[in-house]
Amino acid sequence: NAGVTQTPKFQVLKTGQSMTLQCAQDMNHEYMSWYRQDPGMGLRLIHYSVGAGITDQGEVPNGYNVSRSTTEDFPLRLLSAAPSQTSVYFCASSYVFTGSGANVLTFGAGSRLTVL
Amino acid sequence: GQQVMQIPQYQHVQEGEDFTTYCNSSTTLSNIQWYKQRPGGHPVFLIQLVKSGEVKKQKRLTFQFGEAKKNSSLHITATQTTDVGTYFCAADRGSTLGRLYFGRGTQLTVWP
Repeated sequence: NAGVTQTPKFQVLKTGQSMTLQCAQDMNHEYMSWYRQDPGMGLRLIHYSVGAGITDQGEVPNGYNVSRSTTEDFPLRLLSAAPSQTSVYFCASSYVFTGSGANVLTFGAGSRLTVL
Repeated sequence: GQQVMQIPQYQHVQEGEDFTTYCNSSTTLSNIQWYKQRPGGHPVFLIQLVKSGEVKKQKRLTFQFGEAKKNSSLHITATQTTDVGTYFCAADRGSTLGRLYFGRGTQLTVWP
């Protein structure tokens, strides 16, 4: 059982380049999300999805696109990379239901992105 | 704006001292979760609190949920070097399906 798998682990981009961070989970979780983590800023939500075909914006969505064509995959696209997008990116997923045990997130190992 | 306030941002303690981090929300929460992130690692779920006034223990860690379900704390008794990391609270407001609101975290350093 792999859990949440993120690729690549490390990436260096030049300003203006585009790329996609991949995220896949094998737990049949409905909810998937992308966070970025910067020093002193904690985890900030970029985009999230509560099921295939449904996506919504989080706190810091500008410059990023997502899609959810399958339950398993939730790729994050950087359209035109900027130095301000240098960060560590985490994908996380969970079941969605009410009550005890709801929404407990499983995180991927992270993707460290540097934009020059 | 910041949905969940977490303090302190940093805490440095000597091994054997106690440590506490606090989370506060302006709104009543459905539940609150705590995560730990080791240096260079990813956040890992520790515990979830659901009931008003709930207290849960995991060995030297004690988690509390306030009576009004607006605040929570994590207390570590007699810290060890293995406790090093950043501790995050994550609030479920029950308003948006699946979405959690993370505090900024408390980075704990333990001197041997």
